[in-house]
Amino acid sequence: DTGVSQNPRHKITKRGQNVTFRCDPISEHNRLYWYRQTLGQGPEFLTYFQNEAQLEKSRLLSDRFSAERPKGSFSTLEIQRTEQGDSAMYLCASSLSRGPNDEKLFFGSGTQLSVL
Amino acid sequence: AQSVTQPDIHITVSEGASLELRCNYSYGATPYLFWYVQSPGQGLQLLLKYFSGDTLVQGIKGFEAEFKRSQSSFNLRKPSVHWSDAAEYFCAVGARGGGADGLTFGKGTHLIIQP
Repeated sequence: DTGVSQNPRHKITKRGQNVTFRCDPISEHNRLYWYRQTLGQGPEFLTYFQNEAQLEKSRLLSDRFSAERPKGSFSTLEIQRTEQGDSAMYLCASSLSRGPNDEKLFFGSGTQLSVL
Repeated sequence: AQSVTQPDIHITVSEGASLELRCNYSYGATPYLFWYVQSPGQGLQLLLKYFSGDTLVQGIKGFEAEFKRSQSSFNLRKPSVHWSDAAEYFCAVGARGGGADGLTFGKGTHLIIQP
């Protein structure tokens, strides 16, 4: 168990550029989540995958955001035409869901995005 | 819609003293409740969770929390804090299916430990 890995740790970009983040979950975890956290706030749910299927998307996930988990393993989160308001920590979490009362999320350390 | 309120933005406690972090939630059905801790540069770590049954839940690192339905509260406690407990603490409520689908987090409480 090497934990949830996120890359890069930090990303600085100019407004209008596209960025892509990667999340490698704990192997064999079937669920993967993306959250966003801004300074002084708790994490906000963005989207989640059950294996390769994207099952839920938050209203926070505008059309500029897209997430994929092509083979049910790693996931990418892309933001197109970045805006300064996109500056945040993007957190990934994974879990092995065996039932409704037996799920534990493991979070990565996040990718800190700064849009200039 | 569900929501979580953590009324204390910062709390300062002396090392060895007891701790209680407050959490109030709003949710239309039986809630799934969680406490997470976040240290600088670290990912969120689950301290404990409540789904059903005994309303006093034991977690890791000596933490416990008590679910009080009548007060819509899920306060986190520790009898004696250590300097390593200094961190950001988040209370969260779950939507369904074990609670992990779309957790709603509070804004967090920053815990400072005085020597």
